[in-house]
Amino acid sequence: AQSVTQPDIHITVSEGASLELRCNYSYGATPYLFWYVQSPGQGLQLLLKYFSGDTLVQGIKGFEAEFKRSQSSFNLRKPSVHWSDAAEYFCAVGAGDDKIIFGKGTRLHILP
Amino acid sequence: KAGVTQTPRYLIKTRGQQVTLSCSPISGHRSVSWYQQTPGQGLQFLFEYFSETQRNKGNFPGRFSGRQFSNSRSEMNVSTLELGDSALYLCASTSGSGGNSPLHFGNGTRLTVT
Repeated sequence: AQSVTQPDIHITVSEGASLELRCNYSYGATPYLFWYVQSPGQGLQLLLKYFSGDTLVQGIKGFEAEFKRSQSSFNLRKPSVHWSDAAEYFCAVGAGDDKIIFGKGTRLHILP
Repeated sequence: KAGVTQTPRYLIKTRGQQVTLSCSPISGHRSVSWYQQTPGQGLQFLFEYFSETQRNKGNFPGRFSGRQFSNSRSEMNVSTLELGDSALYLCASTSGSGGNSPLHFGNGTRLTVT
């Protein structure tokens, strides 16, 4: 069965510092991988997706993620965070006709 | 293009009642998925409809049901509400189906059961 693990429930970084959010997945076939962001009171917004090809994918708002098949990971990174990046981030996996499932999320706090 | 629209935004119901939530997908999108979001469990998949047919179903009791109309609009219904049904219910649409197309989410319906 497919699963997604986000090991960090909360992460706090200083404004201007770099960020890495971890995501590990389990799926029998080649997965499609996604990162979403959710601001308070809002739905989820797609940051980026990986389907195939280059393992480093660029997304919106300056985010990028790297797919590592050997580690079953799809970590999200940003070189310099802004206060507006404070939100909850969700990693998700899907494939074929199967449903998309989500990790439990990582809440990002930004220190001024 | 208008985004995914969910109505109502907020609902307060009493235990034992039933509730119907509505979702209008992005124009041209034929797939609609529903998720329940709670602080402890994160986003849990309820079901997906594609061209009026349920394609995938999550592990929820039969009290949770849904349907999709010919214009792709979708409704979900929860009967005999329980306190544990209090959650944010998110609807998402996509142009494809299943797990290979990004989901576009609405802002959700916040259901409170008292």
